[in-house]
Amino acid sequence: EAQVTQNPRYLITVTGKKLTVTCSQNMNHEYMSWYRQDPGLGLRQIYYSMNVEVTDKGDVPEGYKVSRKEKRNFPLILESPSPNQTSLYFCASSPRGAAQPQHFGDGTRLSIL
Amino acid sequence: QKEVEQNSGPLSVPEGAIASLNCTYSDRGSQSFFWYRQYSGKSPELIMFIYSNGDKEDGRFTAQLNKASQYVSLLIRDSQPSDSATYLCAVKEVYGNEKLTFGTGTRLTIIP
Repeated sequence: EAQVTQNPRYLITVTGKKLTVTCSQNMNHEYMSWYRQDPGLGLRQIYYSMNVEVTDKGDVPEGYKVSRKEKRNFPLILESPSPNQTSLYFCASSPRGAAQPQHFGDGTRLSIL
Repeated sequence: QKEVEQNSGPLSVPEGAIASLNCTYSDRGSQSFFWYRQYSGKSPELIMFIYSNGDKEDGRFTAQLNKASQYVSLLIRDSQPSDSATYLCAVKEVYGNEKLTFGTGTRLTIIP
């Protein structure tokens, strides 16, 4: 089954404790992206990647890092999480870029205390 | 920063009627336009995409794009209670930029 898999689905943690949210897709997609969703603000793009070792900033990259060492994986790293990063996070992928429909993962709900 | 605007709603439509959802965007060079549906607590799922001016139909859904006026709309015919969800408009901007910008979404409620 074609899918985008995120882990964990839920996480409660404390300020400053490094965390990684993993994202993996099995569709051989070149484009992968991370979004955060907050009430009243909609989905905002954090980072995206056009292919292995090619990443670029979205609209809200501050406080986040990403890497794309393999085509299927695109982890989101919060090196020193803060409460304002409490949000619902989605990973998505598409065959070749933002001009093509995105396939979304099920989301990760992060709470930073 | 490029903007994508949607009326947050809620928009209430009787069952069987036509629901009309609108989206405007600020970047005249935008190329690709998407409508996603999101049920509460779930991830967005693609409903329609449109690249060219005019109408595109898929079952009960029609996407309409007017680049001159910088708006894209989604019509849902014969609305069903299962159509109750938040509808997100997304726009890809100009060449050389692979960002995707979403509107804040319109909450649609279909009244039985």
